[in-house]
Amino acid sequence: QSALTQPASVSGSPGQSITISCTGTSRDIGSYQHVSWYQQHPGKAPKLMIYDVTSRPSGVSNRFTGFRSGNTASLTISGLLAEDEATYYCSSYSSRSSLLVFGGGTNLTVL
Amino acid sequence: QVQLVQSGGGVVQPGKSLRLSCAASGFTLGIYAMYWVRQAPGKGLEWVASISHDGGNINYGDSVRGRVTVSRDNSRNTLYLQVNSLRDEDTAVYFCAADVAPMSTLKYAMDVWGQGTSVTVSS
Repeated sequence: QSALTQPASVSGSPGQSITISCTGTSRDIGSYQHVSWYQQHPGKAPKLMIYDVTSRPSGVSNRFTGFRSGNTASLTISGLLAEDEATYYCSSYSSRSSLLVFGGGTNLTVL
Repeated sequence: QVQLVQSGGGVVQPGKSLRLSCAASGFTLGIYAMYWVRQAPGKGLEWVASISHDGGNINYGDSVRGRVTVSRDNSRNTLYLQVNSLRDEDTAVYFCAADVAPMSTLKYAMDVWGQGTSVTVSS
């Protein structure tokens, strides 16, 4: 069981917006800036999409937006494209003995 | 071209050891904190270890602590992961990755990833 809770799947049509939630606790998401989001296509390495809750690495589309409210972080993807279909993972620094925890992943289907 | 090239995976018997390598090209590995992350077949991501840019700050995940050692040779632009007393549950694809920020700032965000190397523990 993952330390962070994500929905197993979400879906949307091309052009629409979707939001993926990632729920943690005051020992991780609620207390630290180091919240990240990754996109992973099958058989590929993950790709960093968001770090420090809201920051986008160079080269990542501004269609990807991160934010946080309390112990829950969220990733919004606007203007859905077929290429956005992938699995998305959240991660957070944690005060637990394992310093970095991940969510279980959310499969995004673009209908 | 900025990349991390991994090597050292394979099929290993339970109880044996394995060393994974991760060589950087196109950038100076020595100014970045580095991470190992693994992914069991059909499962999610699991943090294994992290090491600061100078090797002075090292941390391990609960499931591997005591059995793995992360190290780096900045003169060779290479990161290593030694895994001992291999168990069935260590079967996974292992990824190395570089922090998004250089020098002492650990963002715990992995920006450059290796291609992954498969480790299968089987008798």
